[in-house]
Amino acid sequence: KNQVEQSPQSLIILEGKNCTLQCNYTVSPFSNLRWYKQDTGRGPVSLTIMTFSENTKSNRRYTATLDADTKQSSLHITASQLSDSASYICVVTNLGGGADGLTFGKGTHLIIQP
Amino acid sequence: NAGVTQTPKFRILKIGQSMTLQCTQDMNHNYMYWYRQDPGMGLKLIYYSVGAGITDKGEVPNGYNVSRSTTEDFPLRLELAAPSQTSVYFCASSYGTGEAFFGQGTRLTVV
Repeated sequence: KNQVEQSPQSLIILEGKNCTLQCNYTVSPFSNLRWYKQDTGRGPVSLTIMTFSENTKSNRRYTATLDADTKQSSLHITASQLSDSASYICVVTNLGGGADGLTFGKGTHLIIQP
Repeated sequence: NAGVTQTPKFRILKIGQSMTLQCTQDMNHNYMYWYRQDPGMGLKLIYYSVGAGITDKGEVPNGYNVSRSTTEDFPLRLELAAPSQTSVYFCASSYGTGEAFFGQGTRLTVV
């Protein structure tokens, strides 16, 4: 069964500090992996997409990594800001899965404290 | 810049009542989805559509119905609401299996 596991479930850090969120998956065959940010009371918004051949991708203060061999991804947030407080969801698409080929993780709830 | 628009944002239903959650997108996306998100859980797919006139069941379709008469609209119908349907519902759209764009969500409470 395709699964996406995220850790930690929740995380509290001080403003300005860095943090790393983890995503492990068993989705096969793999097509791509996306990290979404979901602000409270809003729908998820895509931060970045990782394909099989990509190891690292940065989007402003967010850096995503992918190890397709170990089926792990991470999202590193640098110099956190209060606006980074949100849930971060890892979504993996399986190749040829079509519209129902997306598997969602439960998300990591990140709180940035001043 | 509307993207995906859902209405209503909030709704309280009594057990056994029916309602339709509206979803419309202006990006000419062919794929549209309905998900539900329960507290502390990942999004679960209720129904999806790969184009006008085509719909299919997702992981948790029981108690729901959908239709897709146009590219833009993908309403979700709840018949005989039950407390187990208390959740936040998200509509999304994409071009193929590309990036999914989500609506703001509908928070539904069944009492």
